[in-house]
Amino acid sequence: NAGVTQTPKFRILKIGQSMTLQCAQDMNHNYMYWYRQDPGMGLKLIYYSVGAGITDKGEVPNGYNVSRSTTEDFPLRLELAAPSQTSVYFCASRPPGNSNQPQHFGDGTRLSIL
Amino acid sequence: GEDVEQSLFLSVREGDSSVINCTYTDSSSTYLYWYKQEPGAGLQLLTYIFSNMDMKQDQRLTVLLNKKDKHLSLRIADTQTGDSAIYFCAESPSDDKIIFGKGTRLHILP
Repeated sequence: NAGVTQTPKFRILKIGQSMTLQCAQDMNHNYMYWYRQDPGMGLKLIYYSVGAGITDKGEVPNGYNVSRSTTEDFPLRLELAAPSQTSVYFCASRPPGNSNQPQHFGDGTRLSIL
Repeated sequence: GEDVEQSLFLSVREGDSSVINCTYTDSSSTYLYWYKQEPGAGLQLLTYIFSNMDMKQDQRLTVLLNKKDKHLSLRIADTQTGDSAIYFCAESPSDDKIIFGKGTRLHILP
């Protein structure tokens, strides 16, 4: 199993450009999450999904969109990149049911908006 | 509301014990977690504790939970240079959500 795979690992965007951050998991997990991590600020939840076809806003959804057409994939889209979206983005997945199931994290995408 | 608080930095001499503290607000959380993040990597689950326990030990790691005060701590015995990382405390108020603290950066002094 590859676990949670995020691509790309690094990206530099110009203000106003758009891009999609890819996330795929091969563990058949229902729950998937997108976080952003800013220095000294911990993780902030952007969007999450409890299964294919279902997505919900997290704490900081503005400026982002997601889709969940399959169990495996949960892409995050930035439509009009802004400098405030410079961050490290982490995707995570988790099986449903008991709350003791940990989230499995990808290695992150480092995004700079210039 | 849901909130998890922890101090941002901790420096410990190699071989000493490290104690990282955390407070949380949601008393309904069934499980509480400690995650470790090494440079350039995602978070990895270190250990977790069920809310009806007050202590859990796993090799060099000891987790203490004071449910009355909503206080969680992680003790790392015989701290090594490989323990240098950011440690995140987290609570799980529902099956679909985990709330993370801001992370404590553990720095190991020689």
